[in-house]
Amino acid sequence: KQEVTQIPAALSVPEGENLVLNCSFTDSAIYNLQWFRQDPGKGLTSLLLIQSSQREQTSGRLNASLDKSSGRSTLYIAASQPGDSATYLCAVSPIYNQGGKLIFGQGTELSVKP
Amino acid sequence: DTAVSQTPKYLVTQMGNDKSIKCEQNLGHDTMYWYKQDSKKFLKIMFSYNNKELIINETVPNRFSPKSPDKAHLNLHINSLELGDSAVYFCASSLWDRASTDTQYFGPGTRLTVL
Repeated sequence: KQEVTQIPAALSVPEGENLVLNCSFTDSAIYNLQWFRQDPGKGLTSLLLIQSSQREQTSGRLNASLDKSSGRSTLYIAASQPGDSATYLCAVSPIYNQGGKLIFGQGTELSVKP
Repeated sequence: DTAVSQTPKYLVTQMGNDKSIKCEQNLGHDTMYWYKQDSKKFLKIMFSYNNKELIINETVPNRFSPKSPDKAHLNLHINSLELGDSAVYFCASSLWDRASTDTQYFGPGTRLTVL
């Protein structure tokens, strides 16, 4: 059974710091891994999608890596800003799934202090 | 333009009542989903529909009945509401692609509170 774990559960950093969020999954049979952002009281916004054949994806100050064999992904945020404060969720799409469901971790709540 | 919309945004009701949440997407996607986010913010799939056909039912109690009148709509009806049903319910949509190179787009959520 696929399980997704995110560490840490919460993180507080001063503005300008670079930071890394971690995600691990138990079954490497995945189509892709995605990172989402959730603001309080809002829905999820997709940040990056890494296909199983890829090692990393970049978008602006965000860089996500994927090591499928070890079941790990990291989300690197450069030069953090207060506007980055949100909950970050990673999710995997298992190969042996029907209907494209995503399996989520419990998220990392990030707070960037001015 | 709103891609995935849900109504209502907030729903407060008494135990035992029946309620519905509506979801619509204007992205032309053929697959839609319902997820439940509990008080610990853990998101879990409930249902998946492709072209109005049920694909996934993740052992959800049969008090929950999704209905898809067309591929742009997936509504969630809940009978005999219980305290444990209190959560945020998210609708999402995507293209039907087993290689799953396309992401899922989420609605803003419906916060259900059962008193």
